[in-house]
Amino acid sequence: EAGVVQSPRYKIIEKKQPVAFWCNPISGHNTLYWYLQNLGQGPELLIRYENEEAVDDSQLPKDRFSAERLKGVDSTLKIQPAELGDSAVYLCASSLGEATNTGELFFGEGSRLTVL
Amino acid sequence: SQQGEEDPQALSIQEGENATMNCSYKTSINNLQWYRQNSGRGLVHLILIRSNEREKHSGRLRVTLDTSKKSSSLLITASRAADTASYFCATETNAGKSTFGDGTTLTVKP
Repeated sequence: EAGVVQSPRYKIIEKKQPVAFWCNPISGHNTLYWYLQNLGQGPELLIRYENEEAVDDSQLPKDRFSAERLKGVDSTLKIQPAELGDSAVYLCASSLGEATNTGELFFGEGSRLTVL
Repeated sequence: SQQGEEDPQALSIQEGENATMNCSYKTSINNLQWYRQNSGRGLVHLILIRSNEREKHSGRLRVTLDTSKKSSSLLITASRAADTASYFCATETNAGKSTFGDGTTLTVKP
């Protein structure tokens, strides 16, 4: 079974440029998460989807960050314009959600963003 | 702010020794999970313990949960060099929100 797939793995951009990250969750997983992880720290939740609905986006900086999950499957996370402080690893995770209530999250390898 | 806080921040031991990591949290939880992350990789789920459980085992892993003290511990027995990684606790609330601590970096010397 394929795991959570993220792309690109690495991205280097100039500040003020836009960037987008893509995530394909595990088939059948209703819940999808985007986390931000700074070096030496734990992941911080940006947004959580239940199917196509964003149920928790309280930590998403909406002035520059946007996310969508079309048809409740794949998701994209966009930053426009990027700032130096956005350099981090962006992790996508998925879970079966309330259907099984196991709580286990399956993570992708992450997208490492460097803003110059 | 992070819900969970791991202690210690870094731990270095010899192969064969046991490693113990602690996690403290602030609010009521539905369950607590431990994850492992190798450098440059995503997180991998290790074990989940529910709020009504006190202890759980999985292979060389032993997790305890004390809801009265809002704390958990992860014990790795007979450690191996391959156990070198960062270990994170994550607490899930009844609303389904998972919050991670900043992790313990474990180094196992061969």
